[in-house]
Amino acid sequence: DTEVTQTPKHLVMGMTNKKSLKCEQHMGHRAMYWYKQKAKKPPELMFVYSYEKLSINESVPSRFSPECPNSSLLNLHLHALQPEDSALYLCASSQGDSLNTEAFFGQGTRLTVV
Amino acid sequence: GENVEQHPSTLSVQEGDSAVIKCTYSDSASNYFPWYKQELGKRPQLIIDIRSNVGEKKDQRIAVTLNKTAKHFSLHITETQPEDSAVYFCAASPNSGNTPLVFGKGTRLSVIA
Repeated sequence: DTEVTQTPKHLVMGMTNKKSLKCEQHMGHRAMYWYKQKAKKPPELMFVYSYEKLSINESVPSRFSPECPNSSLLNLHLHALQPEDSALYLCASSQGDSLNTEAFFGQGTRLTVV
Repeated sequence: GENVEQHPSTLSVQEGDSAVIKCTYSDSASNYFPWYKQELGKRPQLIIDIRSNVGEKKDQRIAVTLNKTAKHFSLHITETQPEDSAVYFCAASPNSGNTPLVFGKGTRLSVIA
């Protein structure tokens, strides 16, 4: 299984809503990532979890809250988002603890904040 | 930190011609250089990668070259086909502990039939 699975594929939420994005991989990868991608731009790193511990937070606003319940799952909790947070949110995973190895991406959640 | 520059931002080629995309990086400690292809509305997918102990790697119509001295690497696609049309991202990964991939800004390749 070389898949990273993200749910939901699409999400529309109001600025007062609370929602969660989910990501799952069963490749035994120990590093998992959240990226944000705006149209016509490269993926922009948000968070990195290494061995289920948050290792990098790229100064992301607190309205985005990551969670890693176990080595296969990664969540991103959303609260009080702004319209400019609308984007494709990509989860990725990679093997090992050096993080400079192949990253597998999920298909993404296309988020629209209204 | 690492900075990756990618050129050109857009590239149009005739079907059957070759396409070349170039990237430069700033951190001499970087040692892993993947290339991702992203079709419209889809996830980035790894198409080829190279490590700093290798100068060139080839996989069918796709090849990547790396010049460590000049700190640049390039993607070469030969005999292009319409299905090669996509956005291509280069990336570099510094070998400094928990530092993940740094992406270039992307190249939109259009292969004209």
